[in-house]
Amino acid sequence: GESVGLHLPTLSVQEGDNSIINCAYSNSASDYFIWYKQESGKGPQFIIDIRSNMDKRQGQRVTVLLNKTVKHLSLQIAATQPGDSAVYFCAENLPHSGAGSYQLTFGKGTKLSVIP
Amino acid sequence: NAGVTQTPKFRILKIGQSMTLQCTQDMNHNYMYWYRQDPGMGLKLIYYSVGAGITDKGEVPNGYNVSRSTTEDFPLRLELAAPSQTSVYFCASSLKRRETQYFGPGTRLLVL
Repeated sequence: GESVGLHLPTLSVQEGDNSIINCAYSNSASDYFIWYKQESGKGPQFIIDIRSNMDKRQGQRVTVLLNKTVKHLSLQIAATQPGDSAVYFCAENLPHSGAGSYQLTFGKGTKLSVIP
Repeated sequence: NAGVTQTPKFRILKIGQSMTLQCTQDMNHNYMYWYRQDPGMGLKLIYYSVGAGITDKGEVPNGYNVSRSTTEDFPLRLELAAPSQTSVYFCASSLKRRETQYFGPGTRLLVL
């Protein structure tokens, strides 16, 4: 089946630098995407979302870019801090009815390590 | 607002035992979900509910059952625990369909 995947399983960045976490999705029908942050021993925490009618959305220190042409999603974290160290998941949602429209399909995650 | 709460935090079961994982949300969300997360993997949907009295299967429902008698509570039942059910279980809720899902802290289950 189609699934969300990630280009890099681990990413190490220096504190203060910008981080870019990438995600490839294979289902062109997906029209809603979410980035979650998961710290060790905790549940996923919502960071930012984007719908397919947009190509960019900004939050506090985070920006999500969506490129529907190549089915690519990225999360940019500005001025990365030690507290940003976590596993980051992208998730996609399909618009059709049934379980697919409720289910978030998660990628395997990228572990971000911030070097002080 | 406590958000989504789950109990217990950790449990060890013997093969064949049963247990109920509790989930409660205080955000008055209609939609609730149960996911499992295996080591190094993303989350997979077990069951979901669109409101009190209505539940449906997700991607991996075998070996589990759910009920939704109130808006707040969405318990997950394991009837005959198997080692393959060793995982971390997350409950989530959302206000509307296809909008942000808010997750609980998880229940770590070990079946031996």
